[in-house]
Amino acid sequence: DGGITQSPKYLFRKEGQNVTLSCEQNLNHDAMYWYRQDPGQGLRLIYYSQIVNDFQKGDIAEGYSVSREKKESFPLTVTSAQKNPTAFYLCASSNEFYTEAFFGQGTRLTVV
Amino acid sequence: AQTVTQSQPEMSVQEAETVTLSCTYDTSESDYYLFWYKQPPSRQMILVIRQEAYKQQNATENRFSVNFQKAAKSFSLKISDSQLGDAAMYFCAYNTGTASKLTFGTGTRLQVTL
Repeated sequence: DGGITQSPKYLFRKEGQNVTLSCEQNLNHDAMYWYRQDPGQGLRLIYYSQIVNDFQKGDIAEGYSVSREKKESFPLTVTSAQKNPTAFYLCASSNEFYTEAFFGQGTRLTVV
Repeated sequence: AQTVTQSQPEMSVQEAETVTLSCTYDTSESDYYLFWYKQPPSRQMILVIRQEAYKQQNATENRFSVNFQKAAKSFSLKISDSQLGDAAMYFCAYNTGTASKLTFGTGTRLQVTL
């Protein structure tokens, strides 16, 4: 079945550590996105990529990094510079000829 | 800045009744797309309905319909014959580019009661 797979579902990080969230899609979509969801704040865009080897900062990119080496994959690294990383992270993708985004099931990151 | 405003943090509706969720947005673009997404307790984001700004006809998907008022920059969602499975967070969103860069509102939590 076509879709977007995020892993892991739950992730725990010690303060000062970097962690990487995985996002893979087999929908052959060109564009991929990372959103952060906090209670009462909707979804906020972290990074997005429209083509391989290219990506742009979203509204809250500080403390995060991404790569887009393959069309299917768009991993997100939460670095130690992100001061409040505990949140729910959603990955999404879209075909450039369409406009709605399809979402993965999310990763819940908790700093311990 | 481009924004989406959902002024109703929580709404409640009885089963089989109709409820309308409000959304306003702010953009200077003339061509854009509007969406309503549903997020149930599983937290999976599900597209409910979409509306192209250049279309005057309001979109409809089964029990879900929108009231799109372009001049007022308003995009409300009407759910008819509400069901228990409709209980969820509902997010209004829009984008203005050829590649989706969705901007979301803060959401409305819908409760459905017996």
